[in-house]
Amino acid sequence: QKEVEQDPGPLSVPEGAIVSLNCTYSNSAFQYFMWYRQYSRKGPELLMYTYSSGNKEDGRFTAQVDKSSKYISLFIRDSPPLDSANYRCAILTGNQFYFGTGTSLTVIP
Amino acid sequence: EAQVTQNPRYLITVTGKKLTVTCSQNMNHEYMSWYRQDPGLGLRQIYYSMNVEVTDKGDVPEGYKVSRKEKRNFPLILESPSPNQTSLYFCASSHGTGGRETQYFGPGTRLLVL
Repeated sequence: QKEVEQDPGPLSVPEGAIVSLNCTYSNSAFQYFMWYRQYSRKGPELLMYTYSSGNKEDGRFTAQVDKSSKYISLFIRDSPPLDSANYRCAILTGNQFYFGTGTSLTVIP
Repeated sequence: EAQVTQNPRYLITVTGKKLTVTCSQNMNHEYMSWYRQDPGLGLRQIYYSMNVEVTDKGDVPEGYKVSRKEKRNFPLILESPSPNQTSLYFCASSHGTGGRETQYFGPGTRLLVL
C-alpha cells in the first residue's frame, strides 16, 4: 500500500469554479500535510501546509485534514485560468517526505 | 534572490558513464533532498540530508549516491547510470527542525540514459 494516494484526475473546470482535490494516507503517525503546485517545466512550489485536523485558509485556498479518516483535501475558490497546473499532496513524517502522484487541473476561460 | 539551482538542466548520457548533478542553495538551509519524478509515480524521495555530513536514504536510493560536504551543496551521483534512471530530478531545501515542511525546489534536471 502506498503511503499517499491521490485522485489522479485530470480535472477540467470552468473559470470561477470551486475545485476539490483529495488524498488519502495510510499511516496515522504522519505529522505534516502539504499541498504543492507545479507548473509545466517548473519545480513544485509549496501552497499550504498544516499539521492539525480541521481547516486552514489562505486566500482562495483551503486545506482540510481529517486525521480520523486519514483524508486530506485542498479547495480552490474562484479559479482563474492561471490555476491550471499539477497539484500534489505531500506528507512529512520524521525527516522523510511522501508525495501523491498529482492531479492535473485545467481551468477553462 | 533566494533560490535552489541545479546543473545541468538537461543531460543525455549512455549506460555506465558516471555523472553528477549539482544542487546548490543560498538560503542557509540545513535540510536538502533529491527526488525523481516519473509519470504515474509522482515525486519519490531518493536521499536527504539533515546537515553537513549527515545523509540518509529515502524511498528509492538504489543506484544513487550523495554527499554533503558543505551546507549549500548537495550533489547527486550516478556511478553507473542505467536506462531505468531516465527521469526528471529535483533538488529541494528547507530549514531543519521547525521548518522542514516548507521546501524550496530547484528547476529540475531532465536525464536520459541510453
